[in-house]
Amino acid sequence: GAVVSQHPSRVICKSGTSVKIECRSLDFQATTMFWYRQFPKQSLMLMATSNEGSKATYEQGVEKDKFLINHASLTLSTLTVTSAHPEDSSFYICSARDSEGTTIAQPQHFGDGTRLSIL
Amino acid sequence: DQQVKQNSPSLSVQEGRISILNCDYTNSMFDYFLWYKKYPAEGPTFLISISSIKDKNEDGRFTVFLNKSAKHLSLHIVPSQPGDSAVYFCAASARYNRKLIWGLGTSLAVNP
Repeated sequence: GAVVSQHPSRVICKSGTSVKIECRSLDFQATTMFWYRQFPKQSLMLMATSNEGSKATYEQGVEKDKFLINHASLTLSTLTVTSAHPEDSSFYICSARDSEGTTIAQPQHFGDGTRLSIL
Repeated sequence: DQQVKQNSPSLSVQEGRISILNCDYTNSMFDYFLWYKKYPAEGPTFLISISSIKDKNEDGRFTVFLNKSAKHLSLHIVPSQPGDSAVYFCAASARYNRKLIWGLGTSLAVNP
């Protein structure tokens, strides 16, 4: 089945540090990747849609200067949390959808998430 | 406004019996529905999906039923196994943007 690799799985760092999270589709090409955030005991909250070769589309209320997204290839998207503060501590998850899945419905496949803890 | 609703936050079932997880939606533009399973501190795992042109899709122990007139879908797991214990999320998308809209999840506990 489709595999999405997300790295790192856990980050602990000091306030003010910038943190980069990578999301790779290992056995398929993904023109579209998604970045989610999950708060404890809540559902997944879509932060942004990452489009290969173009700017990401951010959801309402998500600061694009805070959460920088780069989708430079069909298999890699990165999320950089800039100047992270304790309130940015959360579980961040990426997903990717096969390039066939723009008009044809295809499931999103998820990475294992990154637990970010800002001290 | 919650467009995808999973009204039961938790469900407990005996091993070997059927688990039925329910999901309701409000947006008539949704045409693709998915179920994901999630363990703590892991990403969701895709289980099964159904297109709005069907009313049933089956994959092994998992069957999803879609009732478009009622805007309701359900996931049946039979027989239930202890390893099925997890949080199950229902999600839906519409053709015009394919963005997934998620329910809040149902925590399933299968007791040996």
